[in-house]
Amino acid sequence: DAKTTQPTSMDCAEGRAANLPCNHSTISGNEYVYWYRQIHSQGPQYIIHGLKNNETNEMASLIITEDRKSSTLILPHATLRDTAVYYCIAFSGNTGKLIFGQGTTLQVKP
Amino acid sequence: EAQVTQNPRYLITVTGKKLTVTCSQNMNHEYMSWYRQDPGLGLRQIYYSMNVEVTDKGDVPEGYKVSRKEKRNFPLILESPSPNQTSLYFCASSSPRGGYGYTFGSGTRLTVV
Repeated sequence: DAKTTQPTSMDCAEGRAANLPCNHSTISGNEYVYWYRQIHSQGPQYIIHGLKNNETNEMASLIITEDRKSSTLILPHATLRDTAVYYCIAFSGNTGKLIFGQGTTLQVKP
Repeated sequence: EAQVTQNPRYLITVTGKKLTVTCSQNMNHEYMSWYRQDPGLGLRQIYYSMNVEVTDKGDVPEGYKVSRKEKRNFPLILESPSPNQTSLYFCASSSPRGGYGYTFGSGTRLTVV
């Protein structure tokens, strides 16, 4: 599985868009980019995933570069409840191994 | 409600006393997995299963056993718990039909004294 690199921490003002970057330069063609978040010690929560195209759901948008070496998770209007650790993961369904890195701690401030 | 249920939520036990943490999902998911989370070490995969009777080791399988006799259940067994297995444990499940997005349980906080 490809390794991903994320900033350790980021701040965002409440109501503004939060843009969380992720580098995955060694991602292979059959690996998807997945994003999860974990609030305090709760179980991680699935946010969104994509392969090549940009994706949007009710929680967030995912922008993947054309060469697939990096991506950005966008929370369009961050709220205090979005304060969490966000994990970017390269995952292939060929195996069941979902490997978490250290993630980005996003702090949304009033 | 679609969910992954772990029991117990909290457990304090003594070294060497066998224990089982249960995990059950009601989504007919093929994939199931166990993780442990420790401060500074993040989430680490213990074991995973891609279907009934199919299990594989994750990154930290030592001291743990699993079984997958039914699709919905994936218990985690600690035959002889030790203090270094004190941790927060999560069970998760997913399916290719759902795009492999894992659903996680609420966690089991285990303390071994």
